[in-house]
Amino acid sequence: GQQVMQIPQYQHVQEGEDFTTYCNSSTTLSNIQWYKQRPGGHPVFLIQLVKSGEVKKQKRLTFQFGEAKKNSSLHITATQTTDVGTYFCTNAGNMLTFGGGTRLMVKP
Amino acid sequence: DGGITQSPKYLFRKEGQNVTLSCEQNLNHDAMYWYRQDPGQGLRLIYYSQIVNDFQKGDIAEGYSVSREKKESFPLTVTSAQKNPTAFYLCASRGSYEQYFGPGTRLTVT
Repeated sequence: GQQVMQIPQYQHVQEGEDFTTYCNSSTTLSNIQWYKQRPGGHPVFLIQLVKSGEVKKQKRLTFQFGEAKKNSSLHITATQTTDVGTYFCTNAGNMLTFGGGTRLMVKP
Repeated sequence: DGGITQSPKYLFRKEGQNVTLSCEQNLNHDAMYWYRQDPGQGLRLIYYSQIVNDFQKGDIAEGYSVSREKKESFPLTVTSAQKNPTAFYLCASRGSYEQYFGPGTRLTVT
């Protein structure tokens, strides 16, 4: 499958600070999906981006798809303790390939 | 969780034994997937099936086998050939575009 890389691998933030994770691919992606996995839980679908340059928002979460469709980002504004977990990106083809994820830890 | 069940939640086996993990879905989805997750790591695709009686290897299929005799069921067998079987195993099915994951099975082999 297509390789997608995520950075950073870990991020500690103080509650209220912003957080961003980046997803990069060496090849053009048809679309990209983001998932969140809480500690001890299973991944849950957040969003899919399809169009070049697309930006979507879900409350404090902002998702972007790069113009070249080779990268994507997830930005969380004013993190809360409920944001704790690992955020994964994946190409959305038949054989989904997940990035390694970014583990977010929030200090109250 | 999302109509996908995996059982049991925790499974313990002795080295050299084959073990089968169950995955059932009632979402009427055609495509189903098995992933392996190691502590602090991402998801690696083991096998996937897009339709009954058909399945393809993922990135780490060695030491694993699957079957897809029914649309609702996609069991995974971890064979004794798998060198490091201890991991968290996640099953998923695919809707129109997103994946729905089961709660997972934590397998420990000693």
